[in-house]
Amino acid sequence: EIVLTQSPATLSLSPGERATLSCRASQSVSSYLAWYQQKPGQAPRLLIYDASNRATGIPARFSGSGSGTDFTLTISSLEPEDFAVYYCQQRSNWPPYMYSFGQGTKLEIK
Amino acid sequence: EVQLVESGGGLVKPGGSLRLSCAASGFTFSSYSMNWVRQAPGKGLEWVSSISSSSSYIYYADSVKGRFTISRDNAKNSLYLQMNSLRAEDTAVYYCAREGYSYGEHDYWGQGTLVTVSS
Repeated sequence: EIVLTQSPATLSLSPGERATLSCRASQSVSSYLAWYQQKPGQAPRLLIYDASNRATGIPARFSGSGSGTDFTLTISSLEPEDFAVYYCQQRSNWPPYMYSFGQGTKLEIK
Repeated sequence: EVQLVESGGGLVKPGGSLRLSCAASGFTFSSYSMNWVRQAPGKGLEWVSSISSSSSYIYYADSVKGRFTISRDNAKNSLYLQMNSLRAEDTAVYYCAREGYSYGEHDYWGQGTLVTVSS
């Protein structure tokens, strides 16, 4: 089972600042990693898939990078609506397919 | 517009059963794999189960294997999760999610249905 570890657990920043969130896999997931945003009381929303591809309708200030075991989600200039919890997620390379999520990073207003 | 609407949640006693449903619309349901993902109160996301477009491939998390059964009815555009032998630790909001065409990403989610297991 591949374990995803996100850091930091909490990130305190101000609007307009740059946010850098990390996700580390316990073994290589190639570039097959996704990022989600979740606000209180809402379902998660897909932001990034295949490590660096923005999902439909996602603003350009969100970007993803990385491959292998180390991945980064960057928000270039924080907007008030970006403060939320962010999760990374992967699916195993071979059947039986198993999926896992990181424990989440809470991005809070400083 | 893609829509996923879960139903069937509620309060159930430990050892009891519940069947969740997810009604899909706005896309060709029979062309996509589907997943159930849950979130315990105040906790993170946990993948539960996946089913391929034609039901040929089904996978479960170890935490629910042998107790939960995923199924789908492509004629009714519906996804199901039969949950048996429920435990307190199964208490969570259960989301159905469509799997995209890339590599395991969940591109659309329902709003979730709450399952509470308590005596």
